[in-house]
Amino acid sequence: QKEVEQNSGPLSVPEGAIASLNCTYSDRGSQSFFWYRQYSGKSPELIMFIYSNGDKEDGRFTAQLNKASQYVSLLIRDSQPSDSATYLCAVINTGTASKLTFGTGTRLQVTL
Amino acid sequence: DAGVIQSPRHEVTEMGQEVTLRCKPISGHNSLFWYRQTMMRGLELLIYFNNNVPIDDSGMPEDRFSAKMPNASFSTLKIQPSEPRDSAVYFCASSLSFTNTDTQYFGPGTRLTVL
Repeated sequence: QKEVEQNSGPLSVPEGAIASLNCTYSDRGSQSFFWYRQYSGKSPELIMFIYSNGDKEDGRFTAQLNKASQYVSLLIRDSQPSDSATYLCAVINTGTASKLTFGTGTRLQVTL
Repeated sequence: DAGVIQSPRHEVTEMGQEVTLRCKPISGHNSLFWYRQTMMRGLELLIYFNNNVPIDDSGMPEDRFSAKMPNASFSTLKIQPSEPRDSAVYFCASSLSFTNTDTQYFGPGTRLTVL
């Protein structure tokens, strides 16, 4: 079992819709969760992080964390073509300080 | 402020040759990370440093890989000898410190092709 799992996609959503990206993790003691966006041929850039159960909103982005079920999700409201990218979920496992373990990413396509 | 700087951006070499990748972290950042990204395996952490000291190199695939950080503003990742399966994009990232709350900022990457 992979430590961090994501559906590779592509996830296709029409412009203006809500995109929902999901991630599950295996280490129940994980404390910190991150969402990175990576455009084709570019480096990952941090969108947001979440540490506590529940929702965290930042503009059009909402991260949701459920530690009991060991999943974290990212919602993108009012999706734009510029949101088309690969979204990487990353987790810091128990006792590993700032060592990020990444999922393989979900490719999002926002269609006109 | 300049971000993380990596060089070269592209490297094409032949099997058996030595390859050296370079990274300059963001000024003031104390932690540095080397990652490798492939289609098959995604983004994998190879090694990371805190205050120039290697903390965890368990991700280094084998003895052909080595990394150094001689000072706070420079790090190298060396592959000797290189093999075709080493072809990947290698990213360097830095963060302010070595905690689970600090953002890692990635460099533009070095695309390595080993023929």
